[in-house]
Amino acid sequence: QKEVEQDPGPLSVPEGAIVSLNCTYSNSAFQYFMWYRQYSRKGPELLMYTYSSGNKEDGRFTAQVDKSSKYISLFIRDSQPSDSATYLCAMSSSGGSYIPTFGRGTSLIVHP
Amino acid sequence: DGGITQSPKYLFRKEGQNVTLSCEQNLNHDAMYWYRQDPGQGLRLIYYSQIVNDFQKGDIAEGYSVSREKKESFPLTVTSAQKNPTAFYLCASTYLGMQFFGPGTRLTVL
Repeated sequence: QKEVEQDPGPLSVPEGAIVSLNCTYSNSAFQYFMWYRQYSRKGPELLMYTYSSGNKEDGRFTAQVDKSSKYISLFIRDSQPSDSATYLCAMSSSGGSYIPTFGRGTSLIVHP
Repeated sequence: DGGITQSPKYLFRKEGQNVTLSCEQNLNHDAMYWYRQDPGQGLRLIYYSQIVNDFQKGDIAEGYSVSREKKESFPLTVTSAQKNPTAFYLCASTYLGMQFFGPGTRLTVL
């Protein structure tokens, strides 16, 4: 079992849809949870950062962490074609020297 | 502007050559990292450094070397011992569990 599991997609949705992206993990020591957006041939951009459990909202993006289920989600409301990218989840712990473990990424396509 | 810069953006290497990829950051972060990204394989850690003059091997260090003489700089050398170096290389730094990436260097072997 991989330490972090993420469905590679592609996930194709119409413009305006609510998108749900998810990752599961096995290491209960993870405390820091991140979501990145990566456009083709660009470096990943940090979108959301959450410490421990709970929800965090930033504009159209909401990140959720459920440590009891070892499950994290990223919701995108009112999706736009410019949201088309690969989304990477990542998580780390202080015991692991903060070195993140990444999911393989989910490819999202938002069509007009 | 604070951030991470990588150069060059594109790099071409002939068989048997060593090449060095540059990574500079002005974020005052202690920890820096090098990753390799191949299609369908996600990010793989090559080397990391948590303090000047110290660095550790990651999961795929064979064929690569690094140095950390200054806090701001963490260059990566791809040696001729790396058998399949064509990939997208990403430099990153970390602060309080958050990792930030540079724009990447695409290396192609001719």
